[in-house]
Amino acid sequence: GAVVSQHPSRVICKSGTSVKIECRSLDFQATTMFWYRQFPKQSLMLMATSNEGSKATYEQGVEKDKFLINHASLTLSTLTVTSAHPEDSSFYICSARDPVRGKKPPDQPQHFGDGTRLSIL
Amino acid sequence: AQTVTQSQPEMSVQEAETVTLSCTYDTSESDYYLFWYKQPPSRQMILVIRQEAYKQQNATENRFSVNFQKAAKSFSLKISDSQLGDAAMYFCAYIRNQGGKLIFGQGTELSVKP
Repeated sequence: GAVVSQHPSRVICKSGTSVKIECRSLDFQATTMFWYRQFPKQSLMLMATSNEGSKATYEQGVEKDKFLINHASLTLSTLTVTSAHPEDSSFYICSARDPVRGKKPPDQPQHFGDGTRLSIL
Repeated sequence: AQTVTQSQPEMSVQEAETVTLSCTYDTSESDYYLFWYKQPPSRQMILVIRQEAYKQQNATENRFSVNFQKAAKSFSLKISDSQLGDAAMYFCAYIRNQGGKLIFGQGTELSVKP
């Protein structure tokens, strides 16, 4: 079964509204989660790394005020697209790193959510 | 900076045949991990296979195997006995041993013909 739950799977809203996407780790506590954006037939572009209890680390070119990330608990990270516009329409995917004991971070499994298709009218 | 390159945007294979997807990467690190992910039309990311750079032996998972050439910085994926369910986007990815982020290639869209 899914170990990372992402909700909602699809959202359609009007321009100017804010949209919140949730990413939950179900079977483990994730101190580190990641948020990606993906355009059709293209690769995953990392937007930010979400760290539990601290500020997210954003990739160059990603607007922090536009894409608010909160990682208030060990099992939940949220991405809020503020004042969304049609150009923000995309597929957003989260992932969570499972801190398996005995494994170094790069070797720890990274589980992906099923993604959220965001459409801004 | 590390980069991952997949030079084949699209590939096609006949059912039951074998296909090889190419991936090259650039890094100055000596210790790292490489992955192949599959993304079917459902858009879920599925880990297919992983390779640790310090291991010379090529990883194998059932019908999936890799040809890891560290000196050439090449990491190709071979799919044997291709099945219709193998049709998907395939992404090659890299992460250095010190951690950080997964770096993905551009992807290769694989179609399987019946």
